[in-house]
Amino acid sequence: SQQGEEDPQALSIQEGENATMNCSYKTSINNLQWYRQNSGRGLVHLILIRSNEREKHSGRLRVTLDTSKKSSSLLITASRAADTASYFCATANKAAGNKLTFGGGTRVLVKP
Amino acid sequence: GAGVSQTPSNKVTEKGKYVELRCDPISGHTALYWYRQSLGQGPEFLIYFQGTGAADDSGLPNDRFFAVRPEGSVSTLKIQRTERGDSAVYLCASSLDSSGQGNGYTFGSGTRLTVV
Repeated sequence: SQQGEEDPQALSIQEGENATMNCSYKTSINNLQWYRQNSGRGLVHLILIRSNEREKHSGRLRVTLDTSKKSSSLLITASRAADTASYFCATANKAAGNKLTFGGGTRVLVKP
Repeated sequence: GAGVSQTPSNKVTEKGKYVELRCDPISGHTALYWYRQSLGQGPEFLIYFQGTGAADDSGLPNDRFFAVRPEGSVSTLKIQRTERGDSAVYLCASSLDSSGQGNGYTFGSGTRLTVV
């Protein structure tokens, strides 16, 4: 079963625009992580936000976490064609041994 | 090594055959995870090791699936009597520990298994 659900499932934008995707989850978490995947192979860790944090930045990435709503958002600013990929949120739940549970992902297409 | 290495990168096998998929984690990473990903879906947890022992194997779909990590480094995922429904990309990841507060997992490039 998958803990997180991403919204939207797919997103198409022009280069230079911002891309925003959301993740909702069901149980309490220790931390939430975002990953990127190109061409259906290995995932690359982007950013981790702990349950006691509300916002985190890394380069052009901004992640928010609202534990009261059990949701997170990932914003990619000034998108580039190279940002085209699938983006997944994953939650770590201490009760489940902190293993990551992934959502279904958002497929982002950035058109040049 | 510098990253997580998975071999083979692609495997085509006939229904009913036995396959082994190998994962070589980052040196020093005590936690190792196996996931399975079907087309268009997110990775699905199979099993994770802390050191040599399987700390959580709750994601293994049935007793045809088994994984080992005898020396606490390389791991092998074994699938017996393969079925067409086993076709997927099998992903391996490692992390420094399983506290969940580190810097995330490092994934390998996966093994694409096709059962014909």
